[in-house]
Amino acid sequence: QQQVKQSPQSLIVQKGGISIINCAYENTAFDYFPWYQQFPGKGPALLIAIRPDVSEKKEGRFTISFNKSAKQFSLHIMDSQPGDSATYFCAAGIQGAQKLVFGQGTRLTINP
Amino acid sequence: EPEVTQTPSHQVTQMGQEVILRCVPISNHLYFYWYRQILGQKVEFLVSFYNNEISEKSEIFDDQFSVERPDGSNFTLKIRSTKLEDSAMYFCASSVREGNQPQHFGDGTRLSIL
Repeated sequence: QQQVKQSPQSLIVQKGGISIINCAYENTAFDYFPWYQQFPGKGPALLIAIRPDVSEKKEGRFTISFNKSAKQFSLHIMDSQPGDSATYFCAAGIQGAQKLVFGQGTRLTINP
Repeated sequence: EPEVTQTPSHQVTQMGQEVILRCVPISNHLYFYWYRQILGQKVEFLVSFYNNEISEKSEIFDDQFSVERPDGSNFTLKIRSTKLEDSAMYFCASSVREGNQPQHFGDGTRLSIL
């Protein structure tokens, strides 16, 4: 019940296209959903996060869509660029707790 | 921009030896964490630390592991008797507060157990 399931495992998108990564969770106590971007040899870097009181959050080319009833959330990268090529992790956390539960990661490749 | 700093970047240790991984969290952060990532797998929570004590730990964090904040800036993870399966990237993170607050990660220490 503490799992976060992420798909796809890998994704190839053409430059300028839309990259979409999906996550699903079971534990309804989760109330914080961040996305992290990780480049090779680096630690995860916070990209954008959402709380369940909103259905969408946009920051630049990055948008999180959140569906509370379906217990799903997704990351959309608009106008994808080669510099976006990285591994993306969704995660979930609970108010008052400390740990983040991570998804399995998606290796995104943007072809020029 | 302030960042979490981890040393060393790569540690090679013989099985059964003790290893200490070091972290300097962001200076005004109060909550500290260790996560690990086995090659090709997801990031897994190990332990969180606040006010000089462990506030939460996972089942991975058994008696072989310990954490300490020996001074006002460093945060360490000690593995007493390393096993082959301890080989992984270990990430330190910190946050200003608990719960739904951004956790900022260091670049990790790659631990290789021979």
